[in-house]
Amino acid sequence: KAGVTQTPRYLIKTRGQQVTLSCSPISGHRSVSWYQQTPGQGLQFLFEYFSETQRNKGNFPGRFSGRQFSNSRSEMNVSTLELGDSALYLCASSLGPSNAEAFFGQGTRLTVV
Amino acid sequence: KQEVTQIPAALSVPEGENLVLNCSFTDSAIYNLQWFRQDPGKGLTSLLLIQSSQREQTSGRLNASLDKSSGRSTLYIAASQPGDSATYLCAVNAGKSTFGDGTTLTVKP
Repeated sequence: KAGVTQTPRYLIKTRGQQVTLSCSPISGHRSVSWYQQTPGQGLQFLFEYFSETQRNKGNFPGRFSGRQFSNSRSEMNVSTLELGDSALYLCASSLGPSNAEAFFGQGTRLTVV
Repeated sequence: KQEVTQIPAALSVPEGENLVLNCSFTDSAIYNLQWFRQDPGKGLTSLLLIQSSQREQTSGRLNASLDKSSGRSTLYIAASQPGDSATYLCAVNAGKSTFGDGTTLTVKP
């Protein structure tokens, strides 16, 4: 059974550009959550999608957005990139929201220069 | 706002020792608590999930306990091995997960 797949694994972007990250959850999982991990702030929750609907949102500016497709795959978009957006972006999938076990992908390392 | 604290921040032990990692949280209204390990530059690997109605979970050399009323969880690792060296994170799920900053464990051969 394939795990959570995140693409691309590495990205280098310039300030002001936009970026789209992709996450394919484990087959049968309908909930996808996104996190940002930085050395200074640790792991911070971005948002969660379940059945194509955003259920929860963290405390991030509107430049960070996401969506989920009918096959449960999810994308995260960051517009007008800033240097501080450099981070490891992690996606987690679970069977459903709330009390299900979360499984993480390997992450996308985004570097903004 | 949920706050999660992990103590100690770093721990170094000789191979074979038993050890305990601590996780405390401020709001006991949670669905579950999950322990993860993270190797440098990698994603998170799920170790144990404890539902709010449970007191402990075991997997191999790992045992995690949960005391919701006091806002505490511990991860016990028996007979530590160099391969256990990693950062251990606890995540408290109350609709959205809040992570601690982790404990970086080094097991010396």
